[in-house]
Amino acid sequence: GENVEQHPSTLSVQEGDSAVIKCTYSDSASNYFPWYKQELGKRPQLIIDIRSNVGEKKDQRIAVTLNKTAKHFSLHITETQPEDSAVYFCAANTGRRALTFGSGTRLQVQP
Amino acid sequence: KAGVTQTPRYLIKTRGQQVTLSCSPISGHRSVSWYQQTPGQGLQFLFEYFSETQRNKGNFPGRFSGRQFSNSRSEMNVSTLELGDSALYLCASSETSGGNTGELFFGEGSRLTVL
Repeated sequence: GENVEQHPSTLSVQEGDSAVIKCTYSDSASNYFPWYKQELGKRPQLIIDIRSNVGEKKDQRIAVTLNKTAKHFSLHITETQPEDSAVYFCAANTGRRALTFGSGTRLQVQP
Repeated sequence: KAGVTQTPRYLIKTRGQQVTLSCSPISGHRSVSWYQQTPGQGLQFLFEYFSETQRNKGNFPGRFSGRQFSNSRSEMNVSTLELGDSALYLCASSETSGGNTGELFFGEGSRLTVL
């Protein structure tokens, strides 16, 4: 089955800096890569996703890049704000199985 | 639309007991997936149901089971509870099966503590 590895497990940045979270996946058939954000005590929520026919996608301060050859994808957050503090999960899916999540990255944005 | 509703929100059980958790998906969603969340382990997939059929199953022992009803509501059951079963159990609904065509909408979870 699919295996998704996520790094780093914790990340601390100063407000206004950029944050990058990286994930690798094992199944070359995976074609859908969402990112979920889980604030403390709350449910995970989708923040951005990318499909394999696209190399990069942006939504305001958030961007995701995908390298299918290397089987890795990354989340980039620019101009970080305290409200960006949360746990971020990457995931991958071929469409035939359930979504496989990474182990999560705890991002802390220091004011 | 109402969001995904999970009950109970919190429960405490002792080893050897069994527990049943309930999930009501967003109206119109036919897929319900269950995930176990523990610190450091992320979201571990348990199983997915679509139109009352189990579509996918994760690598959990047979003590973990589930079902889906005709109204798309789902239940999961854990029998012979072990200390390691203590976790937040999250339910997620989506319009389609496989989680690849759109967003998973999560409930707030049921936090199970096994003593």
